[in-house]
Amino acid sequence: GQNIDQPTEMTATEGAIVQINCTYQTSGFNGLFWYQQHAGEAPTFLSYNVLDGLEEKGRFSSFLSRSKGYSYLLLKELQMKDSASYLCAVRGGSYNTDKLIFGTGTRLQVFP
Amino acid sequence: DTEVTQTPKHLVMGMTNKKSLKCEQHMGHRAMYWYKQKAKKPPELMFVYSYEKLSINESVPSRFSPECPNSSLLNLHLHALQPEDSALYLCASSPHPRDRGLMNTEAFFGQGTRLTVV
Repeated sequence: GQNIDQPTEMTATEGAIVQINCTYQTSGFNGLFWYQQHAGEAPTFLSYNVLDGLEEKGRFSSFLSRSKGYSYLLLKELQMKDSASYLCAVRGGSYNTDKLIFGTGTRLQVFP
Repeated sequence: DTEVTQTPKHLVMGMTNKKSLKCEQHMGHRAMYWYKQKAKKPPELMFVYSYEKLSINESVPSRFSPECPNSSLLNLHLHALQPEDSALYLCASSPHPRDRGLMNTEAFFGQGTRLTVV
């Protein structure tokens, strides 16, 4: 089976830093993605990790440890507009086809 | 152009109706996906198309029938749906595994079709 787990909800204050964790057990691994989704909108891409380590992209960073089946998304200098759902997704499958499976999602609420 | 376009944006259909959802992309992506998303839940994978051939069906009921008529288009034909099928249906595309290296190759999502079955 496949399990991709995230905390259901998190709250934080504007200007703060928040870390959203993701643990996974999947059949096959070809990379881990983080997406942001505002209510009623499409998921939008934030970051991608396929090798262990930290990827930084402006206010967002993502970390991956393949041996531990663990990733986190770090959001710095939080803004009100960062209130959204954050989805961890693992790409698994084979060379000829693959599938992107989403975790349970984390709803982040940023307060002034 | 990094856009995935889905039509219609909203659809209300009766349980005896037949309707189709459409998805279009012009990024040259040869992997296309259908997802179903219920409120406050993550997207659930339904189907994957690789080079216009159905490669993954996640045990989806036959009242959902996907079709990929060419490399830019993906359809989802709906027939005899149930009220519990009401959801947001998302289409996505990405470069096919055969066309990638280790480069960043995320899936791009359309805005979705909000389906209500009455």
